[in-house]
Amino acid sequence: EAQVTQNPRYLITVTGKKLTVTCSQNMNHEYMSWYRQDPGLGLRQIYYSMNVEVTDKGDVPEGYKVSRKEKRNFPLILESPSPNQTSLYFCASHKAGDVSYEQYFGPGTRLTVT
Amino acid sequence: GENVEQHPSTLSVQEGDSAVIKCTYSDSASNYFPWYKQELGKGPQLIIDIRSNVGEKKDQRIAVTLNKTAKHFSLHITETQPEDSAVYFCAASRGGNNRLAFGKGNQVVVIP
Repeated sequence: EAQVTQNPRYLITVTGKKLTVTCSQNMNHEYMSWYRQDPGLGLRQIYYSMNVEVTDKGDVPEGYKVSRKEKRNFPLILESPSPNQTSLYFCASHKAGDVSYEQYFGPGTRLTVT
Repeated sequence: GENVEQHPSTLSVQEGDSAVIKCTYSDSASNYFPWYKQELGKGPQLIIDIRSNVGEKKDQRIAVTLNKTAKHFSLHITETQPEDSAVYFCAASRGGNNRLAFGKGNQVVVIP
């Protein structure tokens, strides 16, 4: 089954404690992205990756890091989480190409930073 | 960059009635307009998309229309059912590998 998986699904942590949210896709997609969803603000892109070892900032990259060492995995790293990073996070992937392709989203990770 | 706005933010409809969600975009070079549906507790999922070389596309009870001159596109859901209750996101892109800009989302509630 084609899917994007994220772990953990729920996470409560304290300010300053480093954390990583994992993302994996089994569709051999070149592109992967991280979004955050906040009430009234919709989906905002944090970072994206065009392929292995190629990443770039999205609209709201401050306070986040990513890496793409393997094509299937795209972890999101919060080195020093703060309460304003409390949000619902989604990983997504899609094929590269001359035309736009469907983005496949993971089930989401709800993060609470106290 | 592209700016996509959705109206209304919340829409309540009686079961069986039609629902219409409108989006406007700012970048005249955008040529790809997908709609995503997000059910409670799940990630968004593509339900329909349209490219700028067509004005309308239908898939069973849902349809999308595009007006490039006015820079707006709309999602139409006919004969609404309780399972249509969800958050709907519109988006726009210049196509290919260009960034997809999402609107803020619409909460649709279908009242049985």
